[in-house]
Amino acid sequence: KAGVTQTPRYLIKTRGQQVTLSCSPISGHRSVSWYQQTPGQGLQFLFEYFSETQRNKGNFPGRFSGRQFSNSRSEMNVSTLELGDSALYLCASRVLDEQYFGPGTRLTVT
Amino acid sequence: GQQVMQIPQYQHVQEGEDFTTYCNSSTTLSNIQWYKQRPGGHPVFLIQLVKSGEVKKQKRLTFQFGEAKKNSSLHITATETSDVGTYLCAGASGSARQLTFGSGTQLTVLP
Repeated sequence: KAGVTQTPRYLIKTRGQQVTLSCSPISGHRSVSWYQQTPGQGLQFLFEYFSETQRNKGNFPGRFSGRQFSNSRSEMNVSTLELGDSALYLCASRVLDEQYFGPGTRLTVT
Repeated sequence: GQQVMQIPQYQHVQEGEDFTTYCNSSTTLSNIQWYKQRPGGHPVFLIQLVKSGEVKKQKRLTFQFGEAKKNSSLHITATETSDVGTYLCAGASGSARQLTFGSGTQLTVLP
């Protein structure tokens, strides 16, 4: 099976812009979670989607949003980007309790 | 909210030496998972522990879950250069499926 794929892999944006990241889970996996990873804060949970419904949400401002499509692909959107949003954004698809992470999208906000 | 602390933050060992990382939660966990993240890579699932006092082994790696289900450890025997990376623990509480990750232990193995 192909692994979790994320696009784009690298992104440079300017403060105030918005960005959309995409994640395709492993075939057959219906749960997709998103995480933000930074050197200072580590790996922090953003949200989880299952069958197009948000099941859990972390402690991030409303500028961070996501959605899941009927084919389980997921997108996350960050509006009004801030410098502090620079991070590696990882998505993970889950079967039972095992999470399989994608390679991540490295977002740099200038 | 739930907090998961991991120590040490960094560890340098000579190849062949043993290595241990510890994970402590502020709340009782329903399960704990361990991941390995190679430099420049993404976390890779290693194992999940569910039962109090559980011990699981994977070749040179030994994972333990504390009796109170609030702490866990990962021990590597006779480290190899391929063990280099950051080891992350992640815990879930109650019926929540949301994982809280520790800050990780970055292991360097000197040849």
